[in-house]
Amino acid sequence: GENVEQHPSTLSVQEGDSAVIKCTYSDSASNYFPWYKQELGKGPQLIIDIRSNVGEKKDQRIAVTLNKTAKHFSLHITETQPEDSAVYFCAASLTGGFKTIFGAGTRLFVKA
Amino acid sequence: EADIYQTPRYLVIGTGKKITLECSQTMGHDKMYWYQQDPGMELHLIHYSYGVNSTEKGDLSSESTVSRIRTEHFPLTLESARPSHTSQYLCASSNQGGSSYNEQFFGPGTRLTVL
Repeated sequence: GENVEQHPSTLSVQEGDSAVIKCTYSDSASNYFPWYKQELGKGPQLIIDIRSNVGEKKDQRIAVTLNKTAKHFSLHITETQPEDSAVYFCAASLTGGFKTIFGAGTRLFVKA
Repeated sequence: EADIYQTPRYLVIGTGKKITLECSQTMGHDKMYWYQQDPGMELHLIHYSYGVNSTEKGDLSSESTVSRIRTEHFPLTLESARPSHTSQYLCASSNQGGSSYNEQFFGPGTRLTVL
């Protein structure tokens, strides 16, 4: 079946360093790839997304890249801050479709 | 901030009790979802709905049931709670449409503990 693999499951970085989370999807028809951030005691919230007609997208300190051929996409956080500490989920879905397939999550710790 | 609400936020209940977890959204979204979240983070889809009077089971088997009588309301019911039902339950909604991208808006979750 369709799945999304996400690595690493835990990531610890020093404040100011960069963090990279990688995902691989199986359904080549997927064309929408959102990233969600879940803080303690809250539901996941969309932080950035990328569509299959774009290879890279940036929003301030966060960026996503997509390699459709390899079916890989990644989240990059630069100049990490303690408030970036959270669980991050990647996901893949199809325009107009129903299901969103989530990765297993990455717990990011940013040490001050 | 997403306009999707869940009550209660925390619930501790004894085995055998019937419970209903409430979820409401004010965005007029057709699609709604229930996820069960492990302590280890992973999200498991347990129910979803395309719209009023539509409900489907998700990927993870669940003893819970859902109903969708109104667009904005998608409650989840457990007829007889057991300790194995202890978990975090997340409700979400999204737009439906041929060209829409499936951004999901999540509620804050209900943390259920069954003793």
